[in-house]
Amino acid sequence: KNQVEQSPQSLIILEGKNCTLQCNYTVSPFSNLRWYKQDTGRGPVSLTIMTFSENTKSNGRYTATLDADTKQSSLHITASQLSDSASYICVVIRSNDYKLSFGAGTTVTVRA
Amino acid sequence: EAGVAQSPRYKIIEKRQSVAFWCNPISGHATLYWYQQILGQGPKLLIQFQNNGVVDDSQLPKDRFSAERLKGVDSTLKIQPAKLEDSAVYLCASSIRLDTQYFGPGTRLTVL
Repeated sequence: KNQVEQSPQSLIILEGKNCTLQCNYTVSPFSNLRWYKQDTGRGPVSLTIMTFSENTKSNGRYTATLDADTKQSSLHITASQLSDSASYICVVIRSNDYKLSFGAGTTVTVRA
Repeated sequence: EAGVAQSPRYKIIEKRQSVAFWCNPISGHATLYWYQQILGQGPKLLIQFQNNGVVDDSQLPKDRFSAERLKGVDSTLKIQPAKLEDSAVYLCASSIRLDTQYFGPGTRLTVL
């Protein structure tokens, strides 16, 4: 069964601090991995897209890493801001049918 | 470029009532998806359309859920009759490339 597991389930950090979210997957065959940010009451918005050959990708204060051998990815948030409070969802796309496999998400709360 | 539009944004109904959601995808996007996202979980695909044809509805509870995309543009998702466990956010997404989906803001359904 293709699965995407995320950890931690939730975390609370102080404004200005850094944090790292983890994603492990067993989806195969692999096309690409995306991190989405989902604000409360909104649909998911893509932050980063990584293919098999990419190890790291940045989008402002967000940096994603991918180890395709161990099937692990991480999302690092640098110098967190209150607006970073959201759910972060790891999504893996299969290359044969382009089906999306979603993780359950990590809820990040940034406090002043 | 206008994003994926959904309405209503919120809906509260009692169990056994009927409800319908509407989605207008990004112009030119041939593929349209409906997802169900239960609180604390990642989205689950309910149905995928390619133009006005159904590509995948394997996870759609067909005894109570129905969806149509008559002219290959906007789409409606209906639940009749609703159950308590249908309380969720219903996300619509569209794509022009199968590996890239754009999500709407979602409709939050509460069944009492």
